[in-house]
Amino acid sequence: AQKITQTQPGMFVQEKEAVTLDCTYDTSDQSYGLFWYKQPSSGEMIFLIYQGSYDEQNATEGRYSLNFQKARKSANLVISASQLGDSAMYFCAMSNYNQGGKLIFGQGTELSVKP
Amino acid sequence: DSGVTQTPKHLITATGQRVTLRCSPRSGDLSVYWYQQSLDQGLQFLIQYYNGEERAKGNILERFSAQQFPDLHSELNLSSLELGDSALYFCASSLGVATASEEEYFGPGTRLTVT
Repeated sequence: AQKITQTQPGMFVQEKEAVTLDCTYDTSDQSYGLFWYKQPSSGEMIFLIYQGSYDEQNATEGRYSLNFQKARKSANLVISASQLGDSAMYFCAMSNYNQGGKLIFGQGTELSVKP
Repeated sequence: DSGVTQTPKHLITATGQRVTLRCSPRSGDLSVYWYQQSLDQGLQFLIQYYNGEERAKGNILERFSAQQFPDLHSELNLSSLELGDSALYFCASSLGVATASEEEYFGPGTRLTVT
């Protein structure tokens, strides 16, 4: 069965420092996608970054990068130079080719950025 | 702004009642997904429609039903409401069927409170 595991319920980081949010996944499919979404306290879900299972290079989007280690089935999100506005819930999600695109989400990590 | 609209933003109703949540996808998107976010269950996929037809089903209760209309907007109907149905309901859309590589754009959500 497909599953996403985020083992850090909450994390603190100092402003301007980098932080890594952990995500491991389980799937028997060869073709899948991994996503990270941000959910601020206002509630909306904001797409951050995507990594395909066949992508050989790690995805990057501005201050966000995805550390993809396929053999270890991990897809950690790295946020560089944290800002106060990064304080939010972060969800890792997976979509499998054979599942029609539905997203399976982890439980989330609440990130707090300290000034 | 993701381009996905959901109405209403908030809904308060009593147990046993029936409500309808509405979603308009981004212009051009053919797939609509419904997700439920609750404190105990986290973010769960409910159902997906593609161009008017049901494409995938998740953990959707029999008391819940959905449809996608010819203009591609979608409605999620929740009936015989229980306290446990209180949650944030998200609609998301994507361009196609989503082959595990398409980003899903989330609407702002409808917060349902059942009293």
